[in-house]
Amino acid sequence: AQTVTQSQPEMSVQEAETVTLSCTYDTSESDYYLFWYKQPPSRQMILVIRQEAYKQQNATENRFSVNFQKAAKSFSLKISDSQLGDAAMYFCAYSNFGNEKLTFGTGTRLTIIP
Amino acid sequence: EPEVTQTPSHQVTQMGQEVILRCVPISNHLYFYWYRQILGQKVEFLVSFYNNEISEKSEIFDDQFSVERPDGSNFTLKIRSTKLEDSAMYFCASTTASSYNEQFFGPGTRLTVL
Repeated sequence: AQTVTQSQPEMSVQEAETVTLSCTYDTSESDYYLFWYKQPPSRQMILVIRQEAYKQQNATENRFSVNFQKAAKSFSLKISDSQLGDAAMYFCAYSNFGNEKLTFGTGTRLTIIP
Repeated sequence: EPEVTQTPSHQVTQMGQEVILRCVPISNHLYFYWYRQILGQKVEFLVSFYNNEISEKSEIFDDQFSVERPDGSNFTLKIRSTKLEDSAMYFCASTTASSYNEQFFGPGTRLTVL
């Protein structure tokens, strides 16, 4: 079974600075997807960014980018120019190729310091 | 922009009662999921549903749980006899076949079992 590990329960960053959230996973598959979801206090799950394992290029979405290291099974999220609205729980998630279930990590609570 | 909707937003019930949680997935989506999140914990997969049948279910999804797509729009999760430990946030999600498994989540139903 696949597992996702987020070793940082909490992180904080000064507004406008850069922060990196860590995620590692375990799988025996070669093709899969990785995701970062944001969960603000409203508890809505919002997709931040997606990475396909067969792509070597790291995904980017505006201020959000990932560092995908397939051999190391590592998938970190970098948030640049942090804003107060970025404060939330961030969950790393894995799915096998296809339309399969998401397996989530335990989350990292990100605090933005004004 | 299309979105997944869920009703009710909050349901309070007595232990042993039946509850039905309702979801309206995005209209052209074909794959549907239920997840739950006990307060302060990670999001856990319950069940996936495609072509009017269950694709996969977790060990949490025992005989007390059932899912149904009674018409072309609604997707429901029924808990036959609720237990205290069923208290959680329940999320519905949906996706298409061609979206790299980007699952769009509803806002969740908070279930409180007394």
